[in-house]
Amino acid sequence: GENVEQHPSTLSVQEGDSAVIKCTYSDSASNYFPWYKQELGKRPQLIIDIRSNVGEKKDQRIAVTLNKTAKHFSLHITETQPEDSAVYFCAATEAYSGAGSYQLTFGKGTKLSVIP
Amino acid sequence: DSGVTQTPKHLITATGQRVTLRCSPRSGDLSVYWYQQSLDQGLQFLIQYYNGEERAKGNILERFSAQQFPDLHSELNLSSLELGDSALYFCASESSSFDYGYTFGSGTRLTVV
Repeated sequence: GENVEQHPSTLSVQEGDSAVIKCTYSDSASNYFPWYKQELGKRPQLIIDIRSNVGEKKDQRIAVTLNKTAKHFSLHITETQPEDSAVYFCAATEAYSGAGSYQLTFGKGTKLSVIP
Repeated sequence: DSGVTQTPKHLITATGQRVTLRCSPRSGDLSVYWYQQSLDQGLQFLIQYYNGEERAKGNILERFSAQQFPDLHSELNLSSLELGDSALYFCASESSSFDYGYTFGSGTRLTVV
């Protein structure tokens, strides 16, 4: 089965700086890579995702890059703000046509602290 | 509100007891996934149901079971509870239009004492 490694486990940055979280996956068949943000005591929420036919995707201050050859993908947050403080989870799966056809394997999470 | 409803929000019970966690997916979603999140741990996949049928099993203990009913709500049954079962239990539903992405419920925090 799929195995996802996520680093670092904790990350502290000054407000306004950039933050980068990296993940590696083991199953070369994986083709869908979402990122979730979980604030303390709340549910994980999808913030961005990327599919294996794309190398990079951006959404305002958030970007994700994917290197299929090396089997790793990264989350980049620019101009960090205190409200970015949360735990971030990467995930991977082989998703194919037909709903209900995939199970996400999550990394263990990165606790990001943005210091004002 | 994500549209995925989980009840109860909190549950405190004693070792050896049995509890049932309930999840109602978003309207129109056919898939329900259950995940366990222990303290400082990631999200461990337990089991998936699709339109009433079990689709996949993950790291689910034999003491745990689940089902999905005709109205698509799902229940996760945890029996012979141990202290180590204390965790947040999330369910997530997936759009049947195949646009990827899970929507998680707010979770049930189970404390076994």
